[in-house]
Amino acid sequence: KNEVEQSPQNLTAQEGEFITINCSYSVGISALHWLQQHPGGGIVSLFMLSSGKKKHGRLIATINIQEKHSSLHITASHPRDSAVYICAVNGIQGAQKLVFGQGTRLTINP
Amino acid sequence: GAVVSQHPSWVICKSGTSVKIECRSLDFQATTMFWYRQFPKQSLMLMATSNEGSKATYEQGVEKDKFLINHASLTLSTLTVTSAHPEDSSFYICSATSRSDNFYEQYFGPGTRLTVT
Repeated sequence: KNEVEQSPQNLTAQEGEFITINCSYSVGISALHWLQQHPGGGIVSLFMLSSGKKKHGRLIATINIQEKHSSLHITASHPRDSAVYICAVNGIQGAQKLVFGQGTRLTINP
Repeated sequence: GAVVSQHPSWVICKSGTSVKIECRSLDFQATTMFWYRQFPKQSLMLMATSNEGSKATYEQGVEKDKFLINHASLTLSTLTVTSAHPEDSSFYICSATSRSDNFYEQYFGPGTRLTVT
């Protein structure tokens, strides 16, 4: 079992739908990251969380440390949101290294 | 936000030749840089951790004599793929860390697509 598990692996939705991507982890962490990778390959860091909730535009990320779970929400989804979303965690030891989930491929149809 | 650049963005080389990829932090000093490899439709795989002024730490299964890493300054790390083979064709991504309070922000480069013919 991977230390970081994401669900779903693939998600297709219609434009305007509310999107939720989940991430569960089994190790102690110092921080959790949500990353976005577009088809061209470049990776953008969306959020870094250690507790609570963060919001940026239409994106919201939450984390529950006790349950070792995080969610990424996209409101009013748009075709340009189509990308792979990756959850990654910094462990407590060797804190700079990231452990990655397998990614969620999101496709938003117009 | 902080910017990390990679050069080149793509490269095609012949089998047996060596290729150097540069990773630069443009507006911050990064004591640590990471090199990843990503095959199609797979997640990033950490190859090595590069610290300025010291030898890189390689992950298990990564040949340090084949993937030479040099971190000569706080803003530049290089990855050299020596004697490249077609199976080395992949997408190589670097990231650099910047300490913020008690956490490490990670900034990713745009990646370098290597094709070995």
